[in-house]
Amino acid sequence: DGGITQSPKYLFRKEGQNVTLSCEQNLNHDAMYWYRQDPGQGLRLIYYSQIVNDFQKGDIAEGYSVSREKKESFPLTVTSAQKNPTAFYLCASSIAGSGNTIYFGEGSWLTVV
Amino acid sequence: DAKTTQPPSMDCAEGRAANLPCNHSTISGNEYVYWYRQIHSQGPQYIIHGLKNNETNEMASLIITEDRKSSTLILPHATLRDTAVYYCIALRISGTYKYIFGTGTRLKVLA
Repeated sequence: DGGITQSPKYLFRKEGQNVTLSCEQNLNHDAMYWYRQDPGQGLRLIYYSQIVNDFQKGDIAEGYSVSREKKESFPLTVTSAQKNPTAFYLCASSIAGSGNTIYFGEGSWLTVV
Repeated sequence: DAKTTQPPSMDCAEGRAANLPCNHSTISGNEYVYWYRQIHSQGPQYIIHGLKNNETNEMASLIITEDRKSSTLILPHATLRDTAVYYCIALRISGTYKYIFGTGTRLKVLA
């Protein structure tokens, strides 16, 4: 099936540890995105990438890092510098060119313990 | 990108039409209106989008006013599975990849 796969679905992290969330898509989309969602809130853009080996900061990039070495993959690392990382993280993709429909994965829950 | 305003919550009886309003009074001529919905703890699901004309697909209808300052998403026969948060987004045709999601409307379909 075509789609966006995020893993793991649930992740627990100790304070001070970095953690990487995986996002893979087989839709042949050029653009990929990471959003963060806190309970009862809307989505906030962390990073986005329009093409391989290129990415831009969104509205809340501090404490996060990404890479885009392959078209299909856009992993997000939540670093220890992120002060409040507990949240629901959503990966998305779209075809190249803005104004195109964005499609989401099922999300990953990160909890800091 | 234009800001959108939606009511925080709405109820609808099962089997009736659900009409979800969205205000986008500052929308410009090159911005689409997109609708997504999110069921709890899942990724948002694309529903429909439009520029000027009304649109219909298998999920819903989108009615955009002539001045494009507001729109209404219509679920013709709401079911319990339509209970979700519905997001209205104004998205520029070119120049940006920043899809801005607000807090949406929490629709509860009642049995």
